[in-house]
Amino acid sequence: NAGVTQTPKFQVLKTGQSMTLQCAQDMNHNSMYWYRQDPGMGLRLIYYSASEGTTDKGEVPNGYNVSRLNKREFSLRLESAAPSQTSVYFCASSERAQNRATNEKLFFGSGTQLSVL
Amino acid sequence: AQSVTQLDSQVPVFEEAPVELRCNYSSSVSVYLFWYVQYPNQGLQLLLKYLSGSTLVKGINGFEAEFNKSQTSFHLRKPSVHISDTAEYFCAVRNTGGFKTIFGAGTRLFVKA
Repeated sequence: NAGVTQTPKFQVLKTGQSMTLQCAQDMNHNSMYWYRQDPGMGLRLIYYSASEGTTDKGEVPNGYNVSRLNKREFSLRLESAAPSQTSVYFCASSERAQNRATNEKLFFGSGTQLSVL
Repeated sequence: AQSVTQLDSQVPVFEEAPVELRCNYSSSVSVYLFWYVQYPNQGLQLLLKYLSGSTLVKGINGFEAEFNKSQTSFHLRKPSVHISDTAEYFCAVRNTGGFKTIFGAGTRLFVKA
């Protein structure tokens, strides 16, 4: 009953370092998403992947890259971390299929708390 | 593009009192609407959703919300709250033909004994 699994749970980086946040889902979902959560700003969409093989920018893509490795996995990479990227990062997935909203909901991982010093 | 405004950042309320968390959205196309809840140190989970049909939607834990198209609102209500309802609540919107779910800034509900 894993659902959406994110690693690591916590990470501290120095400015300029790079890292990759990993996300995997075992629900055979088509769509996957990366959000960041900051106090007073709610969740903001960084990138999403509507289906395997596709990725698109969300609201705040600058400074990030993503890879949809296969249907299960969607990673988020920070090439050169900046203090402004200190945040809690959430991966989510959904069954989302075109023109079928019955099962519409996002399943979230438990988050990665990232600090950039 | 869609946007969501949650009108209250914090709502303190006494146990067993009613509560309403307000949400307004903006969109030029038809939308789906959602409320998610986040308990401390956890990810978000779906409370309820409006896709179509009846404008009054019932969710888990006794919560309900009403879709008002003319006022572009989707307020969340519960007639009697419990201490365990203390959490952050997020309103969200997605256009019916798209993939991006956009969230509001959140409302922190604090239930006092």
